[in-house]
Amino acid sequence: KAGVTQTPRYLIKTRGQQVTLSCSPISGHRSVSWYQQTPGQGLQFLFEYFSETQRNKGNFPGRFSGRQFSNSRSEMNVSTLELGDSALYLCASTFRGQITDTQYFGPGTRLTVL
Amino acid sequence: GQQVMQIPQYQHVQEGEDFTTYCNSSTTLSNIQWYKQRPGGHPVFLIQLVKSGEVKKQKRLTFQFGEAKKNSSLHITATQTTDVGTYFCADGSSNTGKLIFGQGTTLQVKP
Repeated sequence: KAGVTQTPRYLIKTRGQQVTLSCSPISGHRSVSWYQQTPGQGLQFLFEYFSETQRNKGNFPGRFSGRQFSNSRSEMNVSTLELGDSALYLCASTFRGQITDTQYFGPGTRLTVL
Repeated sequence: GQQVMQIPQYQHVQEGEDFTTYCNSSTTLSNIQWYKQRPGGHPVFLIQLVKSGEVKKQKRLTFQFGEAKKNSSLHITATQTTDVGTYFCADGSSNTGKLIFGQGTTLQVKP
């Protein structure tokens, strides 16, 4: 099976702009989670989508939003970009096991806000 | 809120030495997961521990889950330069796709 794919891999934006990142999960996986990774804060959970519904949300401002499509592909959007939004944005596709779930990460989108 | 503490933050070892990273939670975990992230890469799933006192091995890597399910450790025997990277533990107790990650331990191995 192909792994998790994320596009674009790199982005440079300026403050005030908005950005949309895309994630395609592993075939058959219906859950997609998004994380922000920065040197200072580490890996922080943004939100999770399952069957086009947001099931869980982290502690991020409303400028961060997402959605999931019927084919399980997901997008996240960040509006009114701030310098502090510069980070690696990771998407994870979830395999539902008998007991617990396992997440498989994509390569990430490196966002730089100038 | 729920936090997972991981120590040490950094570890430099000579190739061939052993390495251990520790993960602690203030609450009981239903499961703990370990990931490795190479420099410039993304987290890669290593293993998941579910049972109290569980010990699992992957070649030179040994993973343990504490009896109280509040702590875990990853031990690497005889490190190699290929072991370089950041090792994260993550609380996978949520069943809604949320992992709570420790801050990670970055391992450097000197050849």
